Amino acid sequence: EVQLVETGGGLIQPGGSLRISCAASGFSITNNFMNWVRQAPGKGLEWVSILYSGGATYYADSVKGRFTVSRDNSKNTFYLQMNTLRAEDTAVYYCAREIVPSITVRYFDYWGQGTLVTVSS
Amino acid sequence: SYVLTQPPSVSVAPGQTASISCGGNNIGTKSVHWYQQRPGQAPVLVVYGDSARPAGIPARFSGSHSGNTATLIISGAEAGDEADYYCQVWDSSSDLRLFGGGTQLTVL
Repeated sequence: EVQLVETGGGLIQPGGSLRISCAASGFSITNNFMNWVRQAPGKGLEWVSILYSGGATYYADSVKGRFTVSRDNSKNTFYLQMNTLRAEDTAVYYCAREIVPSITVRYFDYWGQGTLVTVSS
Repeated sequence: SYVLTQPPSVSVAPGQTASISCGGNNIGTKSVHWYQQRPGQAPVLVVYGDSARPAGIPARFSGSHSGNTATLIISGAEAGDEADYYCQVWDSSSDLRLFGGGTQLTVL
């Protein structure tokens, strides 16, 4: 059974750093595309970043230069390192597996339950 | 950048059909996916590739796609269908994943 479990959220001051994790089970993150999607309180979904199976990474403009994704293959765990945090980064952060059944079709088939990151003084 | 537009809210009577639209420039050239998010829960995929359903999703959920609009159709709406619904596409030119603003479905 595929499962994604996020941990590491919490309260952090503006300008601070935090790393959140996504532990995967039931499949290997090495062979899949892994994403972070966030949702500010009362707002919609916002895609944040992707880590491709080959190691390439891409980021939304809102986090580029501040956030970094990585993985630990031995732990089958995916990370989001967040630096220079701002109040507007406050959100529930979800990890999601992306499926690519064809060259033009990409979607998220499994999501974690999310972890809340609150940036406030 | 590419923008997906959804109505903020849609209401439907129990047993009737709800249609939730997702507009975008030439969206007909993109593959559209739909997610259901109940309060306090993670999103769940309900339609992918414009009109296909994942295993376990009732046949009441379907999708259509034409011109500049994609539509999620929920036939025979039930109280349990009350949720926020999001459309999503992949923009190949920028390699960005984009979500619509979301639509709150009320069954009353």
